[in-house]
Amino acid sequence: EAQVTQNPRYLITVTGKKLTVTCSQNMNHEYMSWYRQDPGLGLRQIYYSMNVEVTDKGDVPEGYKVSRKEKRNFPLILESPSPNQTSLYFCASSLGYGQGSNQPQHFGDGTRLSIL
Amino acid sequence: AQKVTQAQTEISVVEKEDVTLDCVYETRDTTYYLFWYKQPPSGELVFLIRRNSFDEQNEISGRYSWNFQKSTSSFNFTITASQVVDSAVYFCALRGYSGGYQKVTFGTGTKLQVIP
Repeated sequence: EAQVTQNPRYLITVTGKKLTVTCSQNMNHEYMSWYRQDPGLGLRQIYYSMNVEVTDKGDVPEGYKVSRKEKRNFPLILESPSPNQTSLYFCASSLGYGQGSNQPQHFGDGTRLSIL
Repeated sequence: AQKVTQAQTEISVVEKEDVTLDCVYETRDTTYYLFWYKQPPSGELVFLIRRNSFDEQNEISGRYSWNFQKSTSSFNFTITASQVVDSAVYFCALRGYSGGYQKVTFGTGTKLQVIP
C-alpha cells in the first residue's frame, strides 16, 4: 500500500529536549516536505526536499532542521524545541520533476507535538 | 514570494445546495500548479483536484467543478448538491516552479459545514 508514515503520532516533551520526527514513504517519490498546521493559519511549509541531499527552506524554517540522506526518509529535527513549536505536523511526498510536478502530495497522518 | 488567499473562513449551507469556495493566488512564477485538498474532521488530508498554470480549461468531475482564471489569479472550487459528508476544511495550495525548486503555499482554509 502506498503510504507516508510518520512517527511518533503524538509526543509531549519539554523545552530544550532534542527530538526527531521521522517520515518515510514507499512510493519512490523525489519530493518530500514538512508542514505545520496551526488554527487559523492553515498549513505552512517548513522545509522541502527535491531529492537526496537537496533541501530548501519553506516559509517557516526557523528552529527546525532536516536531512535527506535516503530517498525514502525525510526526518524533521527540533534541536531545542520551544513552546511556540507546539503544533500538528504533516509530512508529504510526491513526484518532483517535469510532469511529476503537477502531481498531488501524499500526506502522512500527522504528528501532534506539545512542547511544555 | 507566493501567496494564497482563502477569504472565506467558514461557510454553512443546507444539504443539496451548491457551494463555491474561493481561492486567489499570487506568484511570480510563469509555471505553477494549483490544488484543492480536503481535511475532514478525522484529520487526514485528501487530494481533490489540480490545475496547471498553462491549462485554463475548466472541468467537472462528478459533483466537483473548478474555475481557473489566470487573468484574475483565481482558482475557485464548486461542490454541486452538497452532502453532509462534504463537511470539512478545504485548502487551496499553490506549487511554484522556479529554477527547479518547488515551494508549496497553502491558504488558511475554508471550513464548510453542510447542514442536513
